[in-house]
Amino acid sequence: GIQVEQSPPDLILQEGANSTLRCNFSDSVNNLQWFHQNPWGQLINLFYIPSGTKQNGRLSATTVATERYSLLYISSSQTTDSGVYFCAVRNTGTASKLTFGTGTRLQVTL
Amino acid sequence: DAGVIQSPRHEVTEMGQEVTLRCKPISGHDYLFWYRQTMMRGLELLIYFNNNVPIDDSGMPEDRFSAKMPNASFSTLKIQPSEPRDSAVYFCASSFGRIANYGYTFGSGTRLTVV
Repeated sequence: GIQVEQSPPDLILQEGANSTLRCNFSDSVNNLQWFHQNPWGQLINLFYIPSGTKQNGRLSATTVATERYSLLYISSSQTTDSGVYFCAVRNTGTASKLTFGTGTRLQVTL
Repeated sequence: DAGVIQSPRHEVTEMGQEVTLRCKPISGHDYLFWYRQTMMRGLELLIYFNNNVPIDDSGMPEDRFSAKMPNASFSTLKIQPSEPRDSAVYFCASSFGRIANYGYTFGSGTRLTVV
């Protein structure tokens, strides 16, 4: 099956700093999503971004499907950004199931 | 919309007991997914339905697990008999459309502890 790798696995930032999270995938995809799992365990859908660039406030994401990677940018990080960020993809031709990466655990400190 | 609703939020049960987890998808969504999250294996898909019909149950770990979707607004995941290694957070998610163009929405999860 498709492999999804995320980097870095762990990240500690001071409040106000910027960061870039990366997601690499091993095959063509027609669906890519970024999720944030907050410290209470809830999975929040951040972006549906199979290609191109999207922005939502301090967050933005870019997917280059032809090169099989996606980036999530967090600017001016806040403590509420802490949690685990997951990239999930759907392999072209495999109906509807998403395969999740192992996540990037982000801790934002004061 | 109230989102995807799962119940219970927490479940503690003794080994050997039957456990039933429940999910109400977003109205109008035609795909429903059950995922399990553990520290060791991360998020893994157990089974998914399209229009109430199971499409892929290859992720169901063994015969002790079963899932049903009797109608468009309700699904259950049952474990019988439960074992300590089943302890995990179980998520339900739903989406709309054959190609899930609108993305998935997850419920808040059920944290299951089997002692």
